[in-house]
Amino acid sequence: QQQVKQSPQSLIVQKGGISIINCAYENTAFDYFPWYQQFPGKGPALLIAIRPDVSEKKEGRFTISFNKSAKQFSLHIMDSQPGDSATYFCAAKTGGFKTIFGAGTRLFVKA
Amino acid sequence: SQTIHQWPATLVQPVGSPLSLECTVEGTSNPNLYWYRQAAGRGLQLLFYSVGIGQISSEVPQNLSASRPQDRQFILSSKKLLLSDSGFYLCAWSPGTGDTQYFGPGTRLTVL
Repeated sequence: QQQVKQSPQSLIVQKGGISIINCAYENTAFDYFPWYQQFPGKGPALLIAIRPDVSEKKEGRFTISFNKSAKQFSLHIMDSQPGDSATYFCAAKTGGFKTIFGAGTRLFVKA
Repeated sequence: SQTIHQWPATLVQPVGSPLSLECTVEGTSNPNLYWYRQAAGRGLQLLFYSVGIGQISSEVPQNLSASRPQDRQFILSSKKLLLSDSGFYLCAWSPGTGDTQYFGPGTRLTVL
């Protein structure tokens, strides 16, 4: 029940295309859903986050879509660029101290 | 602004040797602190977290231990390294009442 299931494991997208990464959870007590971006050899960095009281949040080319009833949320990267090639982690958190991370998605954007 | 430091950046150690990785946070007080391990091409495994000086919670029984001797200092240790301890070790912090975790640059540990 504490898991966050992320898919796909890897993704190849053409430059200019839309990248979509999906996550699902079971614990309805989760109330904070961040996405992290990690480049090789670096620590993950917060990309965008959402709370369950909204269904969508957009920051530049990055959008989180949140479906509370389905217990699913997704990251959309519009106009994907080679510089977006990285590993993306979804995550979920309750009011406690721990954040539960998905297994990660390796995104490769072909030029 | 807040900054998180980890050192060393890379480390190669023989099996059976001790380990000490250090993490410090600047620009904040009473942060929650975390140690994660990331195997090559894999996800983030939470090892330890701390909500205050001397308060350590262990998530995975293993060959490692953690200590928090000062408010903004978090140390990961081992008395005898195993081959399976190889990986990318990440320290993170979050505000005491906040949700977002902020990660350090990581330490690449190779045990030979």
